[in-house]
Amino acid sequence: QVQLVESGGGVVQPGRSLRLSCEASGFTFSSYAMHWVRQTPGKGLEWLAVISYDGDIKYYEDSVKGRLTISRDNSKNTLYLQMNSLRSEGTAVYYCARGSLWDKFFPEFDLWGRGTLVTVSS
Amino acid sequence: SSELTQDPGVSVALGQTVRITCQGDRLRSNYASWYQQRPGQAPFLVMYDKNTRPPGIPDRFSGSISGNTASLTITGAQAEDEADYYCNSRDSSGNNFVFGTGTRVTVL
Repeated sequence: QVQLVESGGGVVQPGRSLRLSCEASGFTFSSYAMHWVRQTPGKGLEWLAVISYDGDIKYYEDSVKGRLTISRDNSKNTLYLQMNSLRSEGTAVYYCARGSLWDKFFPEFDLWGRGTLVTVSS
Repeated sequence: SSELTQDPGVSVALGQTVRITCQGDRLRSNYASWYQQRPGQAPFLVMYDKNTRPPGIPDRFSGSISGNTASLTITGAQAEDEADYYCNSRDSSGNNFVFGTGTRVTVL
């Protein structure tokens, strides 16, 4: 079954760190760029970061640079998002999404996970 | 703030046609995608590369780009099309991506 499953969300205090995971199955994970997207409750989608199929290229949305790190382990078919110095505005559902094949970076996310909720609160 | 602007909401009578627009300078690159999101669900892709539907998306959905405006048209809207719709393209840096502000489609 072709799917993405996020995990690692929960309640975290402001200033703390959290690592999200996204496990892929049913397709050749190592052939695709992967993205993280978040959605604040009741608001729109916000693109956060992308990583190339081999992990060599990473791009970040300007507002999260330095606080979020995207990475992947192709041997484990898993994508990660390390979030440091979390703020209350980081409260959101975090989705991973499959991007383009190989070294293409087309704006097309054709497979999404169900998301994992991160709540930043003291 | 988003570089892609969408109308917050539109309504359409059952069986009629509705057009959702997305405006942004980066759309001049001629590549945009569209996502549908129903309440409580994850988004999913309904259109990419201007006017290509993924497998399983009904042909009542069509897309186009003209100048700095991308459009998603639903011809013969159905009750199940009631959802939020988001466009996406590259941002002004050319490396990053950006979603539009979103449009809520209400089917009357």
